[in-house]
Amino acid sequence: QVQLVESGGGVVQPGRSLRLSCATSGFTFTNHAMTWVRQAPGKGLEWVAVISYDGGNKYVADSVKGRFTISRENSKNTVFLQMNSLRPEDTAVYYCARGRTTTNFSPQDSWGQGTLVTVSS
Amino acid sequence: DIQMTQSPSSLSTSVGDRVTITCQASQDIGHYLSWYQQKPGKAPKLLIYDESQLDTGAPSRFSGSGSGTSFTFTISSLQPEDIATYYCQQYDDLPFTFGPGTKVDV
Repeated sequence: QVQLVESGGGVVQPGRSLRLSCATSGFTFTNHAMTWVRQAPGKGLEWVAVISYDGGNKYVADSVKGRFTISRENSKNTVFLQMNSLRPEDTAVYYCARGRTTTNFSPQDSWGQGTLVTVSS
Repeated sequence: DIQMTQSPSSLSTSVGDRVTITCQASQDIGHYLSWYQQKPGKAPKLLIYDESQLDTGAPSRFSGSGSGTSFTFTISSLQPEDIATYYCQQYDDLPFTFGPGTKVDV
């Protein structure tokens, strides 16, 4: 069955970096765009970034532009989120999600369990 | 960015009731709208995509309609397991913004 497993979250000081990973299985990874969505404690969902099936197209939200980078390694069925210059407002559960199609312009039909990132001194 | 609004922000209902949630987009998004269900401590789950298409495995009591800027999500007969927060999301233009959510409880 489809599985997405995030890792790499934790407690980090402001200004530091973290790299999240999302290992996937149970489907043909190269047939799907991949997305990161985050949710601050007690808040709603915020779309963060998307990468196309081949890694050729990437977009990030303005709130993280210049600090976060999305990438994928198709040989390992894994997508990453490199987060630099972290701020307290980046504190959230970060979800990895599969796009329903190869294009970036599709909803997310499978989600991981999420990994918590806490930015605090 | 396209702004998404939802109403109501919360509602209290009863098992067996019909539940309707509306979602408004700040500009025309065609039919590029999805609905997600999220239970406390869990990841969101896709229920509806392309405004009215039921995702695989989603119960048929869930439905969606609308187009352009105004959309509706309906639960025809609320079940106890439907207690959750529901979000709409547009994927017509980046960034793919979510609505603020509607909390459904009994």
